[in-house]
Order: sequence, then structure tokens, then C-alpha cells
Amino acid sequence: QSALTQPPSVSGSPGQSVTISCTGTSSDVGSYNRVSWYQQPPGTAPKLMIYEVSIRPSGVPDRFSGSKSGNTASLTISGLQAEDEAEYYCSSYTSRDTYVFGSGTKVSVL
Amino acid sequence: QVQLQESGPGLVKPLETLSLTCTVSGDSVSGGSFYWSWIRQSPGKELEWLGHIYYSGSTTYSPSLLSRVTISVDTSKSQFSLNLSSVTAADTAVYYCARLWGRRGFDHWGQGTLVTVSS
Repeated sequence: QSALTQPPSVSGSPGQSVTISCTGTSSDVGSYNRVSWYQQPPGTAPKLMIYEVSIRPSGVPDRFSGSKSGNTASLTISGLQAEDEAEYYCSSYTSRDTYVFGSGTKVSVL
Repeated sequence: QVQLQESGPGLVKPLETLSLTCTVSGDSVSGGSFYWSWIRQSPGKELEWLGHIYYSGSTTYSPSLLSRVTISVDTSKSQFSLNLSSVTAADTAVYYCARLWGRRGFDHWGQGTLVTVSS
């Protein structure tokens, strides 16, 4: 199963907003609101930032938000901070009762 | 506080079986809302979901690894395990165990363990 498509990198200055896209198919992102997003700083395990497209777990800052339209989900980081610099991955439940991750996006804070 | 910890050999020979165990503390693997998962990340690459198990023993595996992967659970020890047979260099990766919360997302992760396949 092919990975969901994400841009390799995005960047922004502190305080700006950046948006990461995650494109799948009608067999995964397009059919289920089971999209989640993960933050992974170098050398660490991923951390759940968003689940069910747009819900933030307790403790995740509200500058992180998620949305979905058709086969594409998006993660927006508003008010970018230096600590947000990391790799970000999306994930989706699929019609085969499996999970697929995105290709990953490196967020750089200029 | 839920914690997961992977354990197992860091070096496996080609064509042998990779075996890892995840020990769960602060929660029970018998909890009905969760699936216990294995995910790996090859050096410099994306995350790859390998499969998961429910406390009842019901499993779901990645189609690409279906013939080589087995996940089992030992509720008495609060552990679940991964076996990956006939490994090659392409199986060299950091292996993570994680808790899947219903179908919502992977909400707790182990720190990961690097497994290298080499003779």
C-alpha cells in the first residue's frame, strides 16, 4: 500500500502559519474521518498531535489544527514557534482495516 | 501514565527471524478500547505500520508483510510481541510499539529500538 503524499518540506518564520497537506485516495483519507497527525523531532518517537481529522489530545497547543476536504487532509500550525521544528506525519485508516502513514514533511522555522 | 518499552536483539542475521517484545505499564493490554501495534521506520524514511493485535488475540497485518509477520499477546505479562521472518537488509529499521486508541490514532509510543539485519 502506497504512503500518503505529503510535501517534503515547508518553512516559515516565527509567528507565521504553515500548512501541510496529506493526499490519499477514496480508500483511505476520502472515506474515513480517521486521519491523525504526528510530530517527530529528530531521534525521538512520534507524538500524536491530531486525531479524527481535527481533534487535539489534551496538552497539544491550540495553534495546531486539522481539516479535511475530499481525499486531502491538512495540518495547520499557526503562530509558528522554534519548538515546532520537526518531521510531521499523517496517518489514515483504510478500507482494508489497515493503517497507512504519509511520506513525512520537515517543518523548518526560519 | 501509560508506558511502552521495546526489547529484543539489536542485530539479526539475514534470513533469520526478528523477535521483539513490548512491555506495557500503567495500563492493561486487556483493555477493550485499544489495539497494540507495531510500526517501523527505516533510516531516513517514513513510518510503516506493520500490524496490530487486540487483547482477544485477533490480529490485522500489513498486506505487504502478511506472509512474514506474526503478532502475539501475553495478557498475564502485559506484553505483546512481533516476529518477522526471513529478514533482509531492507528490514533494518527502528521498531516502535504503540497503542492504537480505537480507530482514532496511536496515542502512546515506545521509545523505539534499532534492529540491524547483517551477517
